[in-house]
Amino acid sequence: DAKTTQPTSMDCAEGRAANLPCNHSTISGNEYVYWYRQIHSQGPQYIIHGLKNNETNEMASLIITEDRKSSTLILPHATLRDTAVYYCIVRVHRSQGGSEKLVFGKGTKLTVNP
Amino acid sequence: GAVVSQHPSWVICKSGTSVKIECRSLDFQATTMFWYRQFPKQSLMLMATSNEGSKATYEQGVEKDKFLINHASLTLSTLTVTSAHPEDSSFYICSARSGGRGNQPQHFGDGTRLSIL
Repeated sequence: DAKTTQPTSMDCAEGRAANLPCNHSTISGNEYVYWYRQIHSQGPQYIIHGLKNNETNEMASLIITEDRKSSTLILPHATLRDTAVYYCIVRVHRSQGGSEKLVFGKGTKLTVNP
Repeated sequence: GAVVSQHPSWVICKSGTSVKIECRSLDFQATTMFWYRQFPKQSLMLMATSNEGSKATYEQGVEKDKFLINHASLTLSTLTVTSAHPEDSSFYICSARSGGRGNQPQHFGDGTRLSIL
């Protein structure tokens, strides 16, 4: 099961910042937080990931609290094309086989309004 | 960078036929590839993980004889749905991850919509 909790839906006005919260209170010390988004009928798009420091790239910023129990994805200037389902994922490492697994929860449906 | 191409985008076929879906990493070498399935209004569910040159690891409840996975090169993995039936109709999505540091993200293809009549 997913180890993260996100609001079901959010709205944002075009041009404003969109702040998407995520709780991951059971995160382990070596687990990263990943953010993806999925636009209808497409594959998920990687946005950003982080361990404990805040991260920024051309798409978004990721703010992780000092205790690492929650994080916020920030889209600084939301556009209509940012309307999508946003997934916050803690990557689960499995001891058997040494592989990892992305567990997708229900995500947050972000609607950017004109 | 990090482009993953999936082909075909959609396929419609008769019940009982087999369907092959290709997943290619175009600009990086993918030591690990993943196959997911997504039913309408549901989230992605991991089906299997494959490492280049070795057998795929299937998630619990996924039939390995039904969903054949081949990862013969660092840039190509294929998923074959054998003897497909209407209940196999779904959105199949692959992802690829390069080696190196363990925190490298998975990059996804655009998915294949499979409809079995």
